[in-house]
Amino acid sequence: AAGVIQSPRHLIKEKRETATLKCYPIPRHDTVYWYQQGPGQDPQFLISFYEKMQSDKGSIPDRFSAQQFSDYHSELNMSSLELGDSALYFCASSLGRHNEQFFGPGTRLTVL
Amino acid sequence: AQTVTQSQPEMSVQEAETVTLSCTYDTSESDYYLFWYKQPPSRQMILVIRQEAYKQQNATENRFSVNFQKAAKSFSLKISDSQLGDAAMYFCAYRREGAGSYQLTFGKGTKLSVIP
Repeated sequence: AAGVIQSPRHLIKEKRETATLKCYPIPRHDTVYWYQQGPGQDPQFLISFYEKMQSDKGSIPDRFSAQQFSDYHSELNMSSLELGDSALYFCASSLGRHNEQFFGPGTRLTVL
Repeated sequence: AQTVTQSQPEMSVQEAETVTLSCTYDTSESDYYLFWYKQPPSRQMILVIRQEAYKQQNATENRFSVNFQKAAKSFSLKISDSQLGDAAMYFCAYRREGAGSYQLTFGKGTKLSVIP
């Protein structure tokens, strides 16, 4: 069965650079969630989209923005990167907001 | 705001034995879901088991079962006949139901080691 696809899987950036993370949900899934997991930490919710509209916002810095496109894929844009942004970024998708979230493999971002 | 607490940062179990991981949560909602996720060294988040708050019957999935005590706001995970592949970080998670946000709130996790 098709799973959530995230790209790239690994990304290395310098401080103050910009990064774009992409998420391709499971086909027909209309809801996307983004989570950030720092080293040794639990995942923290950043933002979610339902039917291409932002549905909820968590602890997402103002330097980050995200959107969901007409084909339901989502992109997380991160600017003015800081060392503390180094983390594993998960995307999860669901069919409808009430249903189970399926996680992608994550993108590991390292900021040097 | 909802909080999820896992009081055991690390646990260990002998292969083929049984282990119970603890989780408590705090919420004012009456309708919600609880989950246990497994995160092996690959860092993939894998759903182990889920429990709807309105269901009194405890969920089971093969060797995995939960003890859900709604009044006590407790949600423990029991792993029977532990296997080497069960070694991982386990996260307890909460999600509200009804109108509003549907994001998962995670506990800090319990690292489970399985001793051969």
